Amino acid sequence: GQSLEQPSEVTAVEGAIVQINCTYQTSGFYGLSWYQQHDGGAPTFLSYNGLDGLEETGRFSSFLSRSDSYGYLLLQELQMKDSASYFCAVRTGGFKTIFGAGTRLFVKA
Amino acid sequence: IAGITQAPTSQILAAGRRMTLRCTQDMRHNAMYWYRQDLGLGLRLIHYSNTAGTTGKGEVPDGYSVSRANTDDFPLTLASAVPSQTSVYFCASSDSTRGENTEAFFGQGTRLTVV
Repeated sequence: GQSLEQPSEVTAVEGAIVQINCTYQTSGFYGLSWYQQHDGGAPTFLSYNGLDGLEETGRFSSFLSRSDSYGYLLLQELQMKDSASYFCAVRTGGFKTIFGAGTRLFVKA
Repeated sequence: IAGITQAPTSQILAAGRRMTLRCTQDMRHNAMYWYRQDLGLGLRLIHYSNTAGTTGKGEVPDGYSVSRANTDDFPLTLASAVPSQTSVYFCASSDSTRGENTEAFFGQGTRLTVV
């Protein structure tokens, strides 16, 4: 089967750095994406890694190691508005993208 | 404003009834998707379409059907609803012709309760 594993919850304080890990086991791999979803809202795209290494977009960075089937999302200078669920997603080929179960991030003052 | 529109936003449906969830996008994206989101399970792919006239099965297709008569519309039909289909349904689209970075854009979701 195909699976994406990520922690169910992470708690951090405002201003801190937090890393959300994702390991995957899929029948094809064409890139790892990250999405953010606030309660009651729709998922919104954060980042994409097609090749190994680090991608940086403002306070958010994402890393991929294809040999380890592993990636992470790094959030710096945490703000209260970053409290949300974060999903890793793998494009497995064709037009199928499968998602992990999500990591709930709680940012405390 | 460009984007994806889903209708209805919420619905309570009697078990056994037929229901079609509507999804329309105006971004001219070639690929469209339907996901269901259940607590603790994340987003699970139901069906997808890579271009008008073609559709494919995702992870959890049973009990659902889709059609893609044109680029913009991708309706999801529950032929005979069951309580286990109670969920939040998200439609999404992406422009996969731009390469592998297929950012998906999501609608605001349809909250469906089957009783």
